[in-house]
Amino acid sequence: GQQVMQIPQYQHVQEGEDFTTYCNSSTTLSNIQWYKQRPGGHPVFLIQLVKSGEVKKQKRLTFQFGEAKKNSSLHITATQTTDVGTYFCAGSGGSNYKLTFGKGTLLTVNP
Amino acid sequence: GAVVSQHPSWVICKSGTSVKIECRSLDFQATTMFWYRQFPKQSLMLMATSNEGSKATYEQGVEKDKFLINHASLTLSTLTVTSAHPEDSSFYICSASSSGGSYGYTFGSGTRLTVV
Repeated sequence: GQQVMQIPQYQHVQEGEDFTTYCNSSTTLSNIQWYKQRPGGHPVFLIQLVKSGEVKKQKRLTFQFGEAKKNSSLHITATQTTDVGTYFCAGSGGSNYKLTFGKGTLLTVNP
Repeated sequence: GAVVSQHPSWVICKSGTSVKIECRSLDFQATTMFWYRQFPKQSLMLMATSNEGSKATYEQGVEKDKFLINHASLTLSTLTVTSAHPEDSSFYICSASSSGGSYGYTFGSGTRLTVV
């Protein structure tokens, strides 16, 4: 079945440093979504990427979808303490809307 | 925006009893809802797809007789953990979309189940 690998598992940064998490799928995806889960909370939708090579930005967050639609990345510029949480990528391989989640990257930020 | 309400937020039950968790879409209709299980500091594992008016579709390895799903209306899906055991203790969370997933999924706040 479809597998989505995500690295790193953990990332600790100093406030102001950049952060990147990477996702790689075993199969070609129809789309990839990114979610953020704060400690003790539930996942919150950040963005969806659909097109090959697509790049989207949300303030300090930059999301990329690979040309082959099998990998994706989330980059945060100049992290802030409010960025703390676990970032999950989730891929969808078809029209049944099922998402396969990566294991997530837990980001901690030292003020 | 789309809101998904999940109840209860936490529950403690004795081994052998059953627990029902509700997932409601408050401001949209959801023909499909998803149920996930999340262990501490781990990812979300899809358990089943809940389909309004028909049987749920379970993922491989998930016991359908143990995790009963009912999606009787366009705004409500329920997950019943039957004959719960300590190993069923986990964080259960549902999700739904008002756009068929085109604009992402809205998650409920989750239910932390502890079986003692």
